[in-house]
Amino acid sequence: AQKVTQAQTEISVVEKEDVTLDCVYETRDTTYYLFWYKQPPSGELVFLIRRNSFDEQNEISGRYSWNFQKSTSSFNFTITASQVVDSAVYFCALSEADTNAGKSTFGDGTTLTVKP
Amino acid sequence: GAVVSQHPSWVICKSGTSVKIECRSLDFQATTMFWYRQFPKQSLMLMATSNEGSKATYEQGVEKDKFLINHASLTLSTLTVTSAHPEDSSFYICSARTGSRETQYFGPGTRLLVL
Repeated sequence: AQKVTQAQTEISVVEKEDVTLDCVYETRDTTYYLFWYKQPPSGELVFLIRRNSFDEQNEISGRYSWNFQKSTSSFNFTITASQVVDSAVYFCALSEADTNAGKSTFGDGTTLTVKP
Repeated sequence: GAVVSQHPSWVICKSGTSVKIECRSLDFQATTMFWYRQFPKQSLMLMATSNEGSKATYEQGVEKDKFLINHASLTLSTLTVTSAHPEDSSFYICSARTGSRETQYFGPGTRLLVL
């Protein structure tokens, strides 16, 4: 069965600090997709990134970067020079391509608080 | 592109009444839609998967007769919470996916409060 673990329940940083949110996953499929979503207080999930299992290239998008390492089954998310607007709950999710009808399993989320 | 809407965004109802929540894919055809429930400070829990024109597949522990799901077209799925009780109060989120199994597009969610 697929599983996603976000060990950090809450993280608090001061503005301009860098912060890394950890995500570890378990799956038996060789083809799968990993996602990060941001959920601000309004509740709407904001899609941040999708990565498929065959693409281990790290990605950078502005202040956001992602480190995908299949060897450790991790897909960590780093925010550089954090801002107050980054405060939200961040979810990592896994979707298996072959089994489970492509359903997504979400981690428990990490609440990030960025203080001014 | 890939916008999913939900209606209503907020609903307050009395215990015992039924509430219908709509999920629409506005600019694409969704062969599959998912319904999630999220309690405060918790993760999203998948309730059911619905494919257009067929019966929904419910996750273990989700009552089919209580949470009726209809996916009548490629752009609309509805979730009806029947005989709602206070413990059904939650944030309900739908997502839609095309034939590709890569990405789900999420709606903005519906907050249900049952008094």
